[in-house]
Amino acid sequence: QLQLQESGPGLVKPSETLSLTCTVSGASLSYSTFYWAWIRQPPGKGLEWIGSIVYGGTTYYNPSLKRQNTISADTSKSQFSLKLSSVTAADTAVYYCARQDGMGSAGYFDYWGQGTLVTVSS
Amino acid sequence: SYELTQPPSLSVSPGQTASITCSGDKLGDKYACWYQRKAGQSPVLVIYQDDKRPSGIPERFSGSNSGNTATLTISGTQAMDEADYYCQAWDSSTVVFGGGTKLTVL
Repeated sequence: QLQLQESGPGLVKPSETLSLTCTVSGASLSYSTFYWAWIRQPPGKGLEWIGSIVYGGTTYYNPSLKRQNTISADTSKSQFSLKLSSVTAADTAVYYCARQDGMGSAGYFDYWGQGTLVTVSS
Repeated sequence: SYELTQPPSLSVSPGQTASITCSGDKLGDKYACWYQRKAGQSPVLVIYQDDKRPSGIPERFSGSNSGNTATLTISGTQAMDEADYYCQAWDSSTVVFGGGTKLTVL
């Protein structure tokens, strides 16, 4: 059974970098048909896709997040990570990692982590 | 940028049919999928590629997509279906989510 688990600090100061890791168990990150994604949900708001990565390192990011974001993967550890720079209070959200089946118009998120709340505050 | 619009809320009585809509420009030309998020839980995929149901999702969940509107239909709605529902599609290699619909089963 595929499981994803987010980990990282629950509190980040404004202007600093938010760093989260997702550990995947029950599947390999090396399957080229699957992508691995980060999605967030600010309090009281809807879901927002941050970006995705596929085996080989190709990444796709939400262009509306006009900031330097980095998604990377370590297949040897079955982990993929998110770095979000220069955070503000608007980045306070529950952050989910998820498996994305397919890319382009047919892709969907079929497995999700439990989510981790990250608060941006001094 | 592409937008998907959902009604903020919908109320239905147990046993009735709930139809949750998701509107976007020429949405019928894209694939739509739907997620259910119960309070305090992670989202769960309930419909993908317009009308496909993942393993383990009850048959009372169905989907359609045509023109500018995708619809999630829950037949014989149960109290356990009370949740937020989000539609999702792709536009120019970017994932777009609808704002979500809070379904209340009264």
